[in-house]
Amino acid sequence: QQQVKQSPQSLIVQKGGISIINCAYENTAFDYFPWYQQFPGKGPALLIAIRPDVSEKKEGRFTISFNKSAKQFSLHIMDSQPGDSATYFCAASSGATNKLIFGTGTLLAVQP
Amino acid sequence: GAGVSQTPSNKVTEKGKYVELRCDPISGHTALYWYRQSLGQGPEFLIYFQGTGAADDSGLPNDRFFAVRPEGSVSTLKIQRTERGDSAMYLCASSLNPGGPGGTQYFGPGTRLTVL
Repeated sequence: QQQVKQSPQSLIVQKGGISIINCAYENTAFDYFPWYQQFPGKGPALLIAIRPDVSEKKEGRFTISFNKSAKQFSLHIMDSQPGDSATYFCAASSGATNKLIFGTGTLLAVQP
Repeated sequence: GAGVSQTPSNKVTEKGKYVELRCDPISGHTALYWYRQSLGQGPEFLIYFQGTGAADDSGLPNDRFFAVRPEGSVSTLKIQRTERGDSAMYLCASSLNPGGPGGTQYFGPGTRLTVL
């Protein structure tokens, strides 16, 4: 019940295209859903996050769509750029500790 | 405006040795987390500190792993009798307020541990 399932494992998108990464969870107690971006040899960096009281959040080219009834959420990267090439992790947390449960990651390659 | 720092950036040790990994959180952040990331996987939670106390150590894999945060700032992750399976990236994160709006966790660059 603690798992967060992420797909696809890898993704190739042309420059200017839309990248879409999906995640699903089981634990209905989760109340915070962040997306992290990680470059090789670096720590994860927060990209955007959402709480379940809204269905969508947009920050620049990045949008989270959240479907509470389906227990799914997704990251959309509009106008994808080669600099977006990285590994993306969804995560979920709940409670006083807020410890993050991460998905398995998606390796995104944006081709010029 | 320093972020989370971790030292060393890389650590190579031999099986059976003892290692210490250090984390300096963002100043003023009371919450500190340790995660372990194996190659090609997402980070996995190890332990969470609120102030000086370990509020949740449910992710520590066994009693060879131990962490301290004696003054509520710097934390040290200690691994005894290292095994080859301990090889991974060890990540530290801190946050201002774990349960509220300031709950964003900021990660350090990690320590790459290799056990030969």
